[in-house]
Amino acid sequence: DADVTQTPRNRITKTGKRIMLECSQTKGHDRMYWYRQDPGLGLRLIYYSFDVKDINKGEISDGYSVSRQAQAKFSLSLESAIPNQTALYFCATSAGLAGEQYFGPGTRLTVT
Amino acid sequence: GQSLEQPSEVTAVEGAIVQINCTYQTSGFYGLSWYQQHDGGAPTFLSYNALDGLEETGRFSSFLSRSDSYGYLLLQELQMKDSASYFCAVRSYGQNFVFGPGTRLSVLP
Repeated sequence: DADVTQTPRNRITKTGKRIMLECSQTKGHDRMYWYRQDPGLGLRLIYYSFDVKDINKGEISDGYSVSRQAQAKFSLSLESAIPNQTALYFCATSAGLAGEQYFGPGTRLTVT
Repeated sequence: GQSLEQPSEVTAVEGAIVQINCTYQTSGFYGLSWYQQHDGGAPTFLSYNALDGLEETGRFSSFLSRSDSYGYLLLQELQMKDSASYFCAVRSYGQNFVFGPGTRLSVLP
């Protein structure tokens, strides 16, 4: 079984809709992250959390919100989706001060 | 601000050696990581350098010079399966990660 899972894997939604992307991990890591990837722009950090009570904005948090429901679960919400939020979204985890992150398989989101 | 620079594309032939460079400007620095991403896949971790010098892991090696804000990933004995995008990432103040734009490596037969 995968250590970091994301649901859904693909999603098509309309402008103005609220959607939630979910991430679960079995690695026992405290730190979890949400990134979006656009062609040619690498990975950009949306939000990150170092434990259940710690939520921090990343580089591009506008238009997004998150919820850390448990150590193992970190959800990303788009309150009112817009077409330029069409992208590939990745959840990742890391342990403490390690330089290694473990990524989920990604969610391909299309906003029409 | 924080920024990382990498070449956008590199091409090499099977069996060759290729070096992918990364320069960075960040507000605080703890270490430099490298990730590989195949088309349609998730990034996977390759290496992490917190101290100056060369780290070797099989066919892949990574180098860091903190004084020059520079690092590189060295891939030896290239194989077709190494065709992928490679990202450098800095772990900076705030303990989060900033990624470079990625280098697309094409390995030719």
